[in-house]
Amino acid sequence: AQSVTQLDSQVPVFEEAPVELRCNYSSSVSVYLFWYVQYPNQGLQLLLKYLSGSTLVKGINGFEAEFNKSQTSFHLRKPSVHISDTAEYFCAVSVDKIIFGKGTRLHILP
Amino acid sequence: GAGVSQSPRYKVAKRGQDVALRCDPISGHVSLFWYQQALGQGPEFLTYFQNEAQLDKSGLPSDRFFAERPEGSVSTLKIQRTQQEDSAVYLCASSFEGETGIEQFFGPGTRLTVL
Repeated sequence: AQSVTQLDSQVPVFEEAPVELRCNYSSSVSVYLFWYVQYPNQGLQLLLKYLSGSTLVKGINGFEAEFNKSQTSFHLRKPSVHISDTAEYFCAVSVDKIIFGKGTRLHILP
Repeated sequence: GAGVSQSPRYKVAKRGQDVALRCDPISGHVSLFWYQQALGQGPEFLTYFQNEAQLDKSGLPSDRFFAERPEGSVSTLKIQRTQQEDSAVYLCASSFEGETGIEQFFGPGTRLTVL
């Protein structure tokens, strides 16, 4: 079975500062990895995904994530956050169905 | 519309009442998924359809939950004799299976509150 652990439930960060949201997964088989964002009162939107190939994946809104197989991690990063990045971020792993982490709420401080 | 739509967006039910939640997937999408998202939690898988066939219903929490997709398009999630613990946001997602992995497109959800 697969599982996903998001290590931080909330991350406060100042506007224009860099941010990293951590995600670790476990699986006995190869998986697809995703980051989704959920803005207040909206549905989930795909930020980026890792299927195979380059371990550094670039997504929308300036986000990127790096797949590290040895550490079973897929951390999300952005070099400079904006107030509009305030949202809940979910890491997910998929073999036949998607398993989501519990989410990390990103607070942007002015 | 271009995206996944769900109705109603909000539903308040008295305990013991039956409810039906509707999902309209993106046209042409073969697969349809239902998730339950409790407050402060990530979405949890409920069930999965490929066309009209329900291939996986392992996430349905009890036999009070029932989902159907009779014509392989619109889907309905029905909850019978609702309980307070059923209060959550119910998300629907659809995907067009291809070679790029299982990317799912999510609807805005139905927020169910059971009093």
